[in-house]
Amino acid sequence: QVHLQESGPRLVKPSQTLSLTCTVSGASVNSGSYYWSWIRQLPGKGLEWIGYIYYSGVTHYNPSLKSRLLMSIDTSENQFSLSLNSVTAADTAMYFCARDMRAPTAFDLWGQGTMVIVSS
Amino acid sequence: DIQMTQSPSSLSASVGDTVSITCRASQSVNYYLNWYQQNAGEAPKLLIHSASSLQSAVPSRFSGSGSGTDFTLTISSLQPEDFATYYCQQTYSSPWTFGQGTRVEIK
Repeated sequence: QVHLQESGPRLVKPSQTLSLTCTVSGASVNSGSYYWSWIRQLPGKGLEWIGYIYYSGVTHYNPSLKSRLLMSIDTSENQFSLSLNSVTAADTAMYFCARDMRAPTAFDLWGQGTMVIVSS
Repeated sequence: DIQMTQSPSSLSASVGDTVSITCRASQSVNYYLNWYQQNAGEAPKLLIHSASSLQSAVPSRFSGSGSGTDFTLTISSLQPEDFATYYCQQTYSSPWTFGQGTRVEIK
């Protein structure tokens, strides 16, 4: 059974960098069959796709976040990560990692999510 | 970005009812439309991809239809576990975008 689990600090100060890691078990991130994605949900609001990374390291980001975003993948640890710099209160959200089936593009497996609060 | 608009924002229904949720795209997304179910405090769950293809292990009372700009999710014979929030998502043009959600509540 495939399982995704987010980890990282729950509280980040404004202007600092939000860093999260998604650990995958039961499947390999070193697979060309999937993209590995991040999605966030602002409190009480809808869902926003952040971006994805492929096993080769190729990334595709939401343009609204692109200038502050960096994703990486560690195939040896079977993890992928998100870094979002210069955060503000507007980045306070539940952050989910997810597996994208690629063909078609759809998120078929999700982590449970981790709530990140940006506050001093 | 393609804007996705769902209607209604919420609805009340009883167990056994059939309900429909509509999703409209600001431009054609062909059939690149997915539906998710989210229970409070949980991650979304993929129900339908490609407008009408039922995801593995999803009950057949869920169905999707539409193409272009107008799509519908139908839940036949509503069950207690179906009371949740539903989101549509387009994957035709990046950035992938979601609708604002439709909350299905118990009447």
